[in-house]
Amino acid sequence: GENVEQHPSTLSVQEGDSAVIKCTYSDSASNYFPWYKQELGKRPQLIIDIRSNVGEKKDQRIAVTLNKTAKHFSLHITETQPEDSAVYFCAASQPGGGNKLTFGTGTQLKVEL
Amino acid sequence: GAVVSQHPSRVICKSGTSVKIECRSLDFQATTMFWYRQFPKKSLMLMATSNEGSKATYEQGVEKDKFLINHASLTLSTLTVTSAHPEDSSFYICSARNPSGRGTQETQYFGPGTRLLVL
Repeated sequence: GENVEQHPSTLSVQEGDSAVIKCTYSDSASNYFPWYKQELGKRPQLIIDIRSNVGEKKDQRIAVTLNKTAKHFSLHITETQPEDSAVYFCAASQPGGGNKLTFGTGTQLKVEL
Repeated sequence: GAVVSQHPSRVICKSGTSVKIECRSLDFQATTMFWYRQFPKKSLMLMATSNEGSKATYEQGVEKDKFLINHASLTLSTLTVTSAHPEDSSFYICSARNPSGRGTQETQYFGPGTRLLVL
């Protein structure tokens, strides 16, 4: 089955700096890659996603890049703010089987003032 | 759109009892819902895929007789933890896909989760 690795497990940045979180996946059939933000005790919230026919997608301060050949994708947050502090999860989905998601292990992002 | 609710949000029960958790899609119909389990500071582990009108598909290592899933309508899936024990204590989260919604057909929207504590 699919295996998703995520790095780093913790990331501390100064407010205004950029943050980058990286994930790799194992199944070349995976074609959908969402990123979720989860605050303590809350539900995961989708922040951005990308499909395998696209190399990059941007939404304001958030961008995701995908390298299908290398089977890795990254989340980029620019101009970080304290409210960006949360746990971020990457995930990968394969067609069929209900499009179930395999999640990475998560990155605890802390944006310091 | 794409709102998913869960009930209850928190439950404490005695060892040996059964607990039912409901997952509802409020403003869309979901033929497929998913049940996850999350331990503190850990990732989401898929337990099973719930299919409306048919049997759920369980992930390897998840006991289907322990975690009963019923998806009787297009807006409701239930997870019943049978004969709960302290090791079943966890955060259970459901999600649903909205193939006709604004997002892609693969997009999953999560419920707020249910925190189960078995004494």
